[in-house]
Amino acid sequence: DSGVTQTPKHLITATGQRVTLRCSPRSGDLSVYWYQQSLDQGLQFLIQYYNGEERAKGNILERFSAQQFPDLHSELNLSSLELGDSALYFCASSVGGGNGDTQYFGPGTRLTVL
Amino acid sequence: AQKITQTQPGMFVQEKEAVTLDCTYDTSDPSYGLFWYKQPSSGEMIFLIYQGSYDQQNATEGRYSLNFQKARKSANLVISASQLGDSAMYFCAMREGGYGQNFVFGPGTRLSVLP
Repeated sequence: DSGVTQTPKHLITATGQRVTLRCSPRSGDLSVYWYQQSLDQGLQFLIQYYNGEERAKGNILERFSAQQFPDLHSELNLSSLELGDSALYFCASSVGGGNGDTQYFGPGTRLTVL
Repeated sequence: AQKITQTQPGMFVQEKEAVTLDCTYDTSDPSYGLFWYKQPSSGEMIFLIYQGSYDQQNATEGRYSLNFQKARKSANLVISASQLGDSAMYFCAMREGGYGQNFVFGPGTRLSVLP
């Protein structure tokens, strides 16, 4: 158990809908990362927050948004869902925001868009 | 543009032997970080090891070491004394610069450890 929690574990929804994925980092970790893993596109980095502020942006679509709240939990909002958004979404946390900081991953949320 | 290549889609190794998983990268940024992750069949992602481009020594973490050859732009992962639990997908990744930069992942190598 990494100490990072993600909810829900599974999510099934329809095209055009909007969903919210939640991540609680390990106690004391200030940085949160979001990744998407799909069969088509492999692993992709979406976005990183550090202590409530956006630190880095990757291949995140405009239909997707994220935020990190004062209690350091983070949410990833996916809207106007398409079939291609079906993927495993990982959250990870680290103490700081630096490259050398070990990232601890949550178990992931498996999103299925029908 | 950043690019990561992992040329071995699958590898087999006998238990207790060492194995090297290849990773080459392409970047024009002198400052970058290299990462290895493990994903067992259960699906969770595990961060293994990190190497900075300016680090003088190869990174090591227990049985994992990173064979960093900067001139060749390679960052191979070496696993010593393989265990059955090492069977998994292994991903190499790179992040250019410092903060604010994207991670780019390779396609992965599936390692199978044979008893």
